[in-house]
Amino acid sequence: AQKITQTQPGMFVQEKEAVTLDCTYDTSDQSYGLFWYKQPSSGEMIFLIYQGSYDEQNATEGRYSLNFQKARKSANLVISASQLGDSAMYFCAMSPTGTASKLTFGTGTRLQVTL
Amino acid sequence: GAGVSQSPSNKVTEKGKDVELRCDPISGHTALYWYRQSLGQGLEFLIYFQGNSAPDKSGLPSDRFSAERTGGSVSTLTIQRTQQEDSAVYLCASSLTPGTPVGGTGLHYGYTFGSGTRLTVV
Repeated sequence: AQKITQTQPGMFVQEKEAVTLDCTYDTSDQSYGLFWYKQPSSGEMIFLIYQGSYDEQNATEGRYSLNFQKARKSANLVISASQLGDSAMYFCAMSPTGTASKLTFGTGTRLQVTL
Repeated sequence: GAGVSQSPSNKVTEKGKDVELRCDPISGHTALYWYRQSLGQGLEFLIYFQGNSAPDKSGLPSDRFSAERTGGSVSTLTIQRTQQEDSAVYLCASSLTPGTPVGGTGLHYGYTFGSGTRLTVV
């Protein structure tokens, strides 16, 4: 079984500052993938970034980077230079690799970017 | 289509009625998933279809919930005798055939979500 834990129900960050959203996971799978999704108030789920468990380098996608620490089972999302449009719910998720399988989600972190 | 399409976008129904929610996945995506998101909560897995394999129904909360996928494409989630606790947003997602690379830093299966159906049971 897989489990994702997001311990920050809400976070505030000032515009142009960086913010880290925490995610820890638990799994018995040797090979797995970690995902971050953004859900604005409109409700759609927007894929942000992916990290494979065997990827040696941390994933980066524009202003998003994933701080992957395998031994600690953490996959924190770092958003640099926050923008007002980053205000949303952020979900960490995982799935085993090798087959398309269901994503297991955390409970989410609500990020509010302020002026 | 270009994205995952769900209909209706909103549904209000009376307690005890049956409802059907529809999901049209991205063309070529062999895997299809249903999730439920209650107000202010994370996503709860309901059911997963992969090609012609038997679906993974392990997340369905009761026997009032069922889903089918016809011709490996469109899926319908049916809730019978709706209860107020069924009120939620029902999200559908689809993904590529396993092993198909997606742009970015690594192989993953390109899960793409629809906009959801907001179900309100009154």
